[in-house]
Amino acid sequence: NAGVTQTPKFQVLKTGQSMTLQCAQDMNHEYMSWYRQDPGMGLRLIHYSVGAGITDQGEVPNGYNVSRSTTEDFPLRLLSAAPSQTSVYFCASSYSISGFYGYTFGSGTRLTVV
Amino acid sequence: TQLLEQSPQFLSIQEGENLTVYCNSSSVFSSLQWYRQEPGEGPVLLVTVVTGGEVKKLKRLTFQFGDARKDSSLHITAAQPGDTGLYLCASVGGPSNFGNEKLTFGTGTRLTIIP
Repeated sequence: NAGVTQTPKFQVLKTGQSMTLQCAQDMNHEYMSWYRQDPGMGLRLIHYSVGAGITDQGEVPNGYNVSRSTTEDFPLRLLSAAPSQTSVYFCASSYSISGFYGYTFGSGTRLTVV
Repeated sequence: TQLLEQSPQFLSIQEGENLTVYCNSSSVFSSLQWYRQEPGEGPVLLVTVVTGGEVKKLKRLTFQFGDARKDSSLHITAAQPGDTGLYLCASVGGPSNFGNEKLTFGTGTRLTIIP
C-alpha cells in the first residue's frame, strides 16, 4: 500500500538548473495535484490534473510545467530554478465519492535553490 | 480565490486540557476538510464536512461546520502529546463549483501539547 510516492525527498539545485520532481500513485485516483508549502503561507496549488492527458494551472503555476501521460504518474518540472522556488513540494491524489473528494498526500520533496 | 483564516496561528497547552481552533472565510464553503500534518510528512485528511450545522466526531476530536457554511471549528478534548501537529483547514472548490477538485488551504494552526 504505497499510496502517493514522491522522489527525491531532498534536492539542492543551482539557480538556472532544471529538474523533475516525480510523483506516482497506485490507488487509481483520477485527480492529482501539486502544492508548495512555504512558512506562513500554507499550501498553494501549482498545477492539477483531472485525468490522463488533462492538466490545468493552479494559483502559482509560473516556472513549473506538468504533464499526465498515465493515471499513475504526475511529474512536476522546474524549467529554470530560482531561489524563490525553494520550498517543500507535495503531490496529492484524490477520488470522488458522490461528488466529495478524499485527498492523499505524499511525504514531500524539500527543494533548495542556491 | 477564497481566503481562509485560521486562528490561533500557534497554540501550546498542557496535556489533558481542552482546546478549540477555528477556520473562517468571507465566502460560503461548498465543503470543508480538516487535515493534520506532522513534521516531515504530508497532510493527512481527518474529516470532510458538507452540511451547515454538521458535527462530526473522531475519537477526542469534534468538528463543527457553521450553519452558514462560512466557518468551522475543531475541538480537542483532553489533548495528548500525539495531537501535536499543524492543523489545516481546506475548502473544496468554491460556492459555484460544487465538485471542483481544487483545495484552498488556510495557513494552519500549529499545536503543541506539553506532556
